[in-house]
Amino acid sequence: DIVMTQAPLSVSVTPGESASISCRSSKSLLHSNGITYVYWYLQKPGKSPQLLIYRMSNLASGVPDRFSGSGSETDFTLKISRVEAEDVGIYYCGQLLENPYTFGAGTKLELK
Amino acid sequence: QVKLLQSGAELVKPGASVKLSCKTSGFTFSTSYMSWLKQVPGPSIEWIGWIYAGDGGTNYNQKFKGKATLTVDKSSSTAYMDLSSLTSEDAAVYFCARDSAYWGQGTLVTVSS
Repeated sequence: DIVMTQAPLSVSVTPGESASISCRSSKSLLHSNGITYVYWYLQKPGKSPQLLIYRMSNLASGVPDRFSGSGSETDFTLKISRVEAEDVGIYYCGQLLENPYTFGAGTKLELK
Repeated sequence: QVKLLQSGAELVKPGASVKLSCKTSGFTFSTSYMSWLKQVPGPSIEWIGWIYAGDGGTNYNQKFKGKATLTVDKSSSTAYMDLSSLTSEDAAVYFCARDSAYWGQGTLVTVSS
């Protein structure tokens, strides 16, 4: 199975500042079709996960453009610029390239 | 808009089975891939598998073969997951998701005698 490793496990951010979360996969997530199948989700307290970024760098519908995704074949970054109170929660990266789809352990973002 | 409404919390005895439902609206169900995922405190998310609503084709995580069975009812735009021979390891919140993008609110399954 592809292992997804996130860092840090938790991050504390002052509102208005930016935050970055890293995710590394144990195998390239670049498909032969040129698409990199890494996804980012945010799970707010008491809620189900919501999609933020799909296929490494595409912003999901309704997601503020303060969120952005980037990376290579195995190293990925989610950046949140101008962090707001509503961004608090646990962020997960996931790979949807091959069976079984797998997820990182999550990064908890809280406000200072 | 897209909605996925999951069935309510379940308290199940060890060894029993349970069937979870996920009623959808706001999109074309028959051309969608419906995934099911498991979340336990930790927190961690495991993908169980998906079913293509168009023809019922499935793709399971090997770990959940024999444990989970995915089905759909196109007439009601509802996806189902049967979990069999439940043990304490199956206690979790289970989510359905459409194309891994839209998620239901989750169903808590508790296994206890």
